Amino acid sequence: DQQVKQNSPSLSVQEGRISILNCDYTNSMFDYFLWYKKYPAEGPTFLISISSIKDKNEDGRFTVFLNKSAKHLSLHIVPSQPGDSAVYFCAASAISSGTSYGKLTFGQGTILTVHP
Amino acid sequence: DARVTQTPRHKVTEMGQEVTMRCQPILGHNTVFWYRQTMMQGLELLAYFRNRAPLDDSGMPKDRFSAEMPDATLATLKIQPSEPRDSAVYFCASGLVVGGSITDTQYFGPGTRLTVL
Repeated sequence: DQQVKQNSPSLSVQEGRISILNCDYTNSMFDYFLWYKKYPAEGPTFLISISSIKDKNEDGRFTVFLNKSAKHLSLHIVPSQPGDSAVYFCAASAISSGTSYGKLTFGQGTILTVHP
Repeated sequence: DARVTQTPRHKVTEMGQEVTMRCQPILGHNTVFWYRQTMMQGLELLAYFRNRAPLDDSGMPKDRFSAEMPDATLATLKIQPSEPRDSAVYFCASGLVVGGSITDTQYFGPGTRLTVL
């Protein structure tokens, strides 16, 4: 049962354009969402997060949007740069449950390639 | 520059052999997670510990996998006997959890790439 899904295995974008990565979830208990970036031969690193009390969070070129009614979130990268080429993982947690103890449920990942 | 370390980085073994992967969490972190990355499932949570006590290991095949934290600076993941389908990258992550909620993000190690022939 895949509670967090990233339906696009890969995305290819031209440098300078916008990259939009999508993520869907099924568990209504999830109230905290994160995006991680992973380069080859390295572990994932935290990129940006959003709480369910918000619908948008911005950090430089990265913006995450949350649509709770649709159980959907997206990561926008503007403008995209070749150094952004990596695997992007969406993750979710049920913080309000008080019992998650930091447990994250990850999606399958989307490979982003930004062409010069 | 605190970071999670994992050893070995690469392991090639034959089916039926025991494999032990080690992780040193960031000093001061009280929660340790073990993940497996596969193409189909992405990052699967295998097990996690808080203050060295196992909280959840439901993601692990119980008959062959075991996870322990002998002390606060070492977490181990063992596979015995190993099988070709265990071939994957295994990640350890650590975090600081206070009152049931993580106060910061999880920090991942570089992973152990396991190949079982």
